[in-house]
Amino acid sequence: EADIYQTPRYLVIGTGKKITLECSQTMGHDKMYWYQQDPGMELHLIHYSYGVNSTEKGDLSSESTVSRIRTEHFPLTLESARPSHTSQYLCASSDVRQMYQETQYFGPGTRLLVL
Amino acid sequence: AQKITQTQPGMFVQEKEAVTLDCTYDTSDPSYGLFWYKQPSSGEMIFLIYQGSYDQQNATEGRYSLNFQKARKSANLVISASQLGDSAMYFCAMRDSGSSNTGKLIFGQGTTLQVKP
Repeated sequence: EADIYQTPRYLVIGTGKKITLECSQTMGHDKMYWYQQDPGMELHLIHYSYGVNSTEKGDLSSESTVSRIRTEHFPLTLESARPSHTSQYLCASSDVRQMYQETQYFGPGTRLLVL
Repeated sequence: AQKITQTQPGMFVQEKEAVTLDCTYDTSDPSYGLFWYKQPSSGEMIFLIYQGSYDQQNATEGRYSLNFQKARKSANLVISASQLGDSAMYFCAMRDSGSSNTGKLIFGQGTTLQVKP
């Protein structure tokens, strides 16, 4: 059973506000990921991290930034939210020790609406 | 480039019947992993089943099984004895085995399954 948490679950915010989406996992996983998903569409990777102080941009360009100061914590920040950022954001983690399979476990997601 | 294709946007199945959700993939890498996830309307992604490219047997997990046909590059999910709670969106995904072994997943477009009582 995966133990990965995201807060808030839902967020409605005005244009120009700074927001931080929280993601935490208690499994000690080294790798963590952020995906963006529009309703009814596939997931696109926007950020990932191999471990503490390691972050990389994903395949989909995003104006968000991430940090990884602690193994268990991988927050995503939008400095100035815009309506185009409206989407669902899903955080995931995987255990590099699994080597071959390395299943990603997902949090419940944050649904963001920017007005 | 690696790619996952799910050609069924929506499927219906009668409760207690079996259903197959299609997934084809494209990769030139001999080593890869295929995953299926379930996404209910609440939004979370639930891991269902995994198939490795070198696995000799088709993967099974309870009512879920994977019909893996390597030559055809297909990895269809079979759900037996459908239940109302199976109504959800289902995503096929492939682990990106490209450079740096990031473990990234590439997702298909998803298939919405509705189970009818």
